[in-house]
Amino acid sequence: EVQLVESGGGLVQPGGSLTLSCAASGFTFTNHWMAWVRQGPGKGLEWVANINQYGGEKYYVDSVKGRFTISRDNAKNSVFLQMSGLRAEDTAVYYCVRASGSCYPSWGQGTLVTVSS
Amino acid sequence: QSVLTQPPSVSAAPGQKVTISCSGSSSNIGNNFVCWYRQLPGTAPKLLISDNNQRQSGIPDRFSGSKSGTSATLGITGLQTGDEGDYYCGTWDNNLSIYVFGPGTKVTVL
Repeated sequence: EVQLVESGGGLVQPGGSLTLSCAASGFTFTNHWMAWVRQGPGKGLEWVANINQYGGEKYYVDSVKGRFTISRDNAKNSVFLQMSGLRAEDTAVYYCVRASGSCYPSWGQGTLVTVSS
Repeated sequence: QSVLTQPPSVSAAPGQKVTISCSGSSSNIGNNFVCWYRQLPGTAPKLLISDNNQRQSGIPDRFSGSKSGTSATLGITGLQTGDEGDYYCGTWDNNLSIYVFGPGTKVTVL
């Protein structure tokens, strides 16, 4: 069974930093692109970033470029999202997702990031 | 605003049919597969349809997907109260080099 377990969310002040982690299991981690998707309170889904199987290719939505960094540790079957310069508009539930082809068939339960003073 | 367009809401009586449209452009829907996700309140989204029209395992054949040009459609027949939720289309955008989701459509069973 595929499992994605996020951790690292919490309350952070504007301008602060936070690193989210996602522990993956139940599939061959190195076969899949991974991504982060977020959902602000009462809002729709917003794709944040993705990373290819060995970390050599990464893409980001414009609103987080230069502030967020996605990475992975294939030895630990984990993917990370380092977030800095956090803003109120970054407040959201962040989901770790596994890609298969063009879609995201596997989602974690999400971790809440709240940016507030 | 979103690169993809969906109606904010659709509704119908139990047993009836609804369709949800997802409109984009040649840089996204026109040249990539479309995926459909459903999100029930307080839960993570779930993939229903991949590659325009491929139902995921366990998804009943009441759900169908189609694509024509730069638009895609999700159909739900035999509507049930358990189908209520928010439905999102998604695909890759070649110009933006990002994955894009539609704004979501709320399905209500009257």
